[in-house]
Amino acid sequence: DIQMTQSPSSLPASLGDRVTITCRASQDIGNYLRWFQQKPGKSPRLMIYGATNLANGVPSRFSGSRSGSDYSLTINSLESEDMAIYYCLQHNEYPPTFGSGTKLEIK
Amino acid sequence: QVQLKESGPGLVQPSQTLSLTCTVSGFSLTSNSVHWVRQPPGKGLEWVGAIWSGGSTDYNSALKSRLSISRDTSKSQVFLKMNSLQTEDTAIYFCTGQLYYWGQGVMVTVSS
Repeated sequence: DIQMTQSPSSLPASLGDRVTITCRASQDIGNYLRWFQQKPGKSPRLMIYGATNLANGVPSRFSGSRSGSDYSLTINSLESEDMAIYYCLQHNEYPPTFGSGTKLEIK
Repeated sequence: QVQLKESGPGLVQPSQTLSLTCTVSGFSLTSNSVHWVRQPPGKGLEWVGAIWSGGSTDYNSALKSRLSISRDTSKSQVFLKMNSLQTEDTAIYFCTGQLYYWGQGVMVTVSS
């Protein structure tokens, strides 16, 4: 199975900060990478698909990028509603595998 | 508007069988895949399995021997059955369309 190594596991940040979360794939996954946001008691919400494409309704302060086997989610100008856990997901090869999650919290 | 909704018992006894239903709307089962993903309390997301638009299935290898996913396209429903449940199967179970649209999830507790 493809391993998705996600970092950091916890990210304290201040409102207005620019933050970046990264997932590294153990094998080539092309651009079959998605980012999800999950708030307490809620189901995951798709934020980014195809590594770089913003899902419908997602604010433009969110962006995705790729450098080799490293995939990043960047949030510019952090807002309070962005505090959540973020997961990456590879779906290039089955089984789909998730990163371990990054908890974004107010510093 | 795509909607998925999970239903099933909240409490299952150890060694018994779990049966969950995912009812979808605004979404064709013959054109799209449906996946099950679970999340133990306070932990991350784990892919459980999927049924594809053509009706074939794929399962998490660690669960394959206990798992069955099927569907009734006339009712727009997908079913998950998992037998020999253990406490470590306690989790929120989500159904998701194409790993894009997600249901609200159903909490399943395995306990006597």
